[in-house]
Amino acid sequence: GQQLNQSPQSMFIQEGEDVSMNCTSSSIFNTWLWYKQDPGEGPVLLIALYKAGELTSNGRLTAQFGITRKDSFLNISASIPSDVGIYFCAGQKGGGNQFYFGTGTSLTVIP
Amino acid sequence: AAGVIQSPRHLIKEKRETATLKCYPIPRHDTVYWYQQGPGQDPQFLISFYEKMQSDKGSIPDRFSAQQFSDYHSELNMSSLELGDSALYFCASSPGAAGELFFGEGSRLTVL
Repeated sequence: GQQLNQSPQSMFIQEGEDVSMNCTSSSIFNTWLWYKQDPGEGPVLLIALYKAGELTSNGRLTAQFGITRKDSFLNISASIPSDVGIYFCAGQKGGGNQFYFGTGTSLTVIP
Repeated sequence: AAGVIQSPRHLIKEKRETATLKCYPIPRHDTVYWYQQGPGQDPQFLISFYEKMQSDKGSIPDRFSAQQFSDYHSELNMSSLELGDSALYFCASSPGAAGELFFGEGSRLTVL
């Protein structure tokens, strides 16, 4: 069953605005990954997090591994039209085990 | 840089037929994951392999089987195909059992 709750489900923002989304679970995870997926294509890895409290940036993207290890956050600053897509979080409980995916956040950027 | 290669990219089958999807991981990646993604849904985990051994199993139907070969490529075999098997099938590879997961472009299976 679904173990990761991702919110918001969708966002419509103006170009230049900042975006925040999060992923929560009742379970503890050891690894959090954030992906962006365009229609019909494979998810592209944006950021990987391995330690509780870790804050990692990749250009305009910043993600954090929640201290409780049950959540993670992704922020996008100064959004641009090419940020449009579906963003997924994925969590792994232990090495070799599956990555559970969140329900996704659909981002639309209005020029 | 080399990415995960999946073939075929598109596949059309009739009900009750069989299909085989292939996945070639990034060089030196020893872990492979298979995911199924329906329209508008998140990827659902099917099965994974680490060093040619099954490492975890998800919602893979009994009609499906998979294996990882000595060169680390993997194949997903699907038999007695049903309409509900129509989906995007993704393979992902990782440099070890606990590492970043890199996805291929997917194989789109359509069952008629």
